[in-house]
Amino acid sequence: EAQVTQNPRYLITVTGKKLTVTCSQNMNHEYMSWYRQDPGLGLRQIYYSMNVEVTDKGDVPEGYKVSRKEKRNFPLILESPSPNQTSLYFCASSPGQGGGYTFGSGTRLTVV
Amino acid sequence: QQQVKQSPQSLIVQKGGISIINCAYENTAFDYFPWYQQFPGKGPALLIAIRPDVSEKKEGRFTISFNKSAKQFSLHIMDSQPGDSATYFCAAFYSGGYQKVTFGTGTKLQVIP
Repeated sequence: EAQVTQNPRYLITVTGKKLTVTCSQNMNHEYMSWYRQDPGLGLRQIYYSMNVEVTDKGDVPEGYKVSRKEKRNFPLILESPSPNQTSLYFCASSPGQGGGYTFGSGTRLTVV
Repeated sequence: QQQVKQSPQSLIVQKGGISIINCAYENTAFDYFPWYQQFPGKGPALLIAIRPDVSEKKEGRFTISFNKSAKQFSLHIMDSQPGDSATYFCAAFYSGGYQKVTFGTGTKLQVIP
């Protein structure tokens, strides 16, 4: 089954403790992206990648890091999480050329 | 600066009625306009999409109307069903280069029997 897999689904952490949310896709898609979803704000793009080792900032990149060492994986790293990063996070992938994004099931992060 | 404005924020429609959600964009470089459907606890799923070289696209009960000159597009759900109750997001893509995308803020649709 073609899918985007994120882990974990739920995460509660403390301020300042580094964490990584993993994302993997099995569709050989060129493009991958991370979003956060907050009530009233919709989906906002954090980072995106058009290929291995090529990444760029989205609309809300502050406090986040990404890497794309392999085509299928695109982890999201929070070096020093803060409470304002409490949110619902989605990873997504796209074949490019105007093809829409396929989203993962989401990771609900709470930073206390 | 919000580049894609979506309205209404919430919508209640009777079963069998027509649901209409509107979006307006600012950047004329956008060249792909999808709509996503999201159920609680799930990620958004691509519903239907349109490119600016056509004015309308229909897939089953779902239709996108596109007005390039007004920089507006809308989703029409005909014969709305309770199973259509979900949050709908419009989006605008710039498909050249990095697949930059901007989403609307979402419309929560409730279809009542």
